[in-house]
Amino acid sequence: DTGVSQDPRHKITKRGQNVTFRCDPISEHNRLYWYRQTLGQGPEFLTYFQNEAQLEKSRLLSDRFSAERPKGSFSTLEIQRTEQGDSAMYLCASSRRTGINLTYEQYFGPGTRLTVT
Amino acid sequence: AQRVTQPEKLLSVFKGAPVELKCNYSYSGSPELFWYVQYSRQRLQLLLRHISRESIKGFTADLNKGETSFHLKKPFAQEEDSAMYYCALRGGYSSASKIIFGSGTRLSIRP
Repeated sequence: DTGVSQDPRHKITKRGQNVTFRCDPISEHNRLYWYRQTLGQGPEFLTYFQNEAQLEKSRLLSDRFSAERPKGSFSTLEIQRTEQGDSAMYLCASSRRTGINLTYEQYFGPGTRLTVT
Repeated sequence: AQRVTQPEKLLSVFKGAPVELKCNYSYSGSPELFWYVQYSRQRLQLLLRHISRESIKGFTADLNKGETSFHLKKPFAQEEDSAMYYCALRGGYSSASKIIFGSGTRLSIRP
């Protein structure tokens, strides 16, 4: 297992276009998270899934954003009608309950860098 | 409101000098505190968590509930410590929910 993977790694798109990103979590991780990171800031939470159920969505996730995890494995994040303000690094993380302290350590992917021109 | 504050955007110290990266948090309740690190061209990874009370790569962090702080310390900096460091919190122990990150501190170790 090579860890969390994300595709594509870079995406350049024109304002108004739709984009879709994919995240493949570590196998057997039942929790999957999406974060967004803009320049000079730490990652900001967008949404997370337990298996195929989307359990929480941030207010940052406007109605142009939608995330799915149809079979409880990989997830997609779609942004419709992209705006320049959507330019950011989109990070995916996955976790499962483990360890003596039964904690959910989140393992991060390399991210997808989106540039909206 | 839940918040993590890292007051220093950049910290530059000489090799062998002590390092302290500051972190303060705001949370009503008992959060779980973390330090994450991102080395150049690598992905974000967990460095340590407060409940483990462990030292990783010579780094330690003590949770001070009275001062709501979780500063990261290392007595003797090494060049390979140069990286971006993020303090973070999660609500409740053994929680599977979101992590709230600070804005990060870039640590630069001068030879």
